[in-house]
Amino acid sequence: DAGITQSPRHKVTETGTPVTLRCHQTENHRYMYWYRQDPGHGLRLIHYSYGVKDTDKGEVSDGYSVSRSKTEDFLLTLESATSSQTSVYFCAISALAGGPYEQFFGPGTRLTVL
Amino acid sequence: GENVEQHPSTLSVQEGDSAVIKCTYSDSASNYFPWYKQELGKRPQLIIDIRSNVGEKKDQRIAVTLNKTAKHFSLHITETQPEDSAVYFCAAISSGGYNKLIFGAGTRLAVHP
Repeated sequence: DAGITQSPRHKVTETGTPVTLRCHQTENHRYMYWYRQDPGHGLRLIHYSYGVKDTDKGEVSDGYSVSRSKTEDFLLTLESATSSQTSVYFCAISALAGGPYEQFFGPGTRLTVL
Repeated sequence: GENVEQHPSTLSVQEGDSAVIKCTYSDSASNYFPWYKQELGKRPQLIIDIRSNVGEKKDQRIAVTLNKTAKHFSLHITETQPEDSAVYFCAAISSGGYNKLIFGAGTRLAVHP
């Protein structure tokens, strides 16, 4: 597996609390992504980053924010968690614009919002 | 917006049979199409990919075909084995850049001994 870790791996929290998930890579890849995975929806892009301090929204960004202060770390924050944000969250990395395009995934974080 | 449709959502085969999963995409400028396999509780893993300059690619028991005119691509698994049981996702790269992928909803493949 590519050098990608996610923390925490499991989290249970209550509605209205802030939550931050961390993605850490040791590959020095430029692009990083946050996805959520829900039954019947595949993998949906929340936010992505194309460099330090450079981020943009994906298709399901409402209720989420991100930050990337170092190449190796990409943080996903739920400012005020809701039950609809219960999901499995995957981080992914990709190396270069224009190819190779491969994305490699982290092990995932299972988040439950009660 | 960009979209990838994947069929079937579930597929059940006997060991040794072939399995075919089909995807269609909407962005005619897309030029990279990966397939991922996800075992229960694990991360998605890239198993094969194809670029738009080729029509078919094989790797042992798996193959992918691409029809750019019709905007569809397929995954073929021959001589299926129980360890092929997993969820398979197709994807197409977004023409919007940044190596963004648009994923299909997934196919749950069950291979019965």
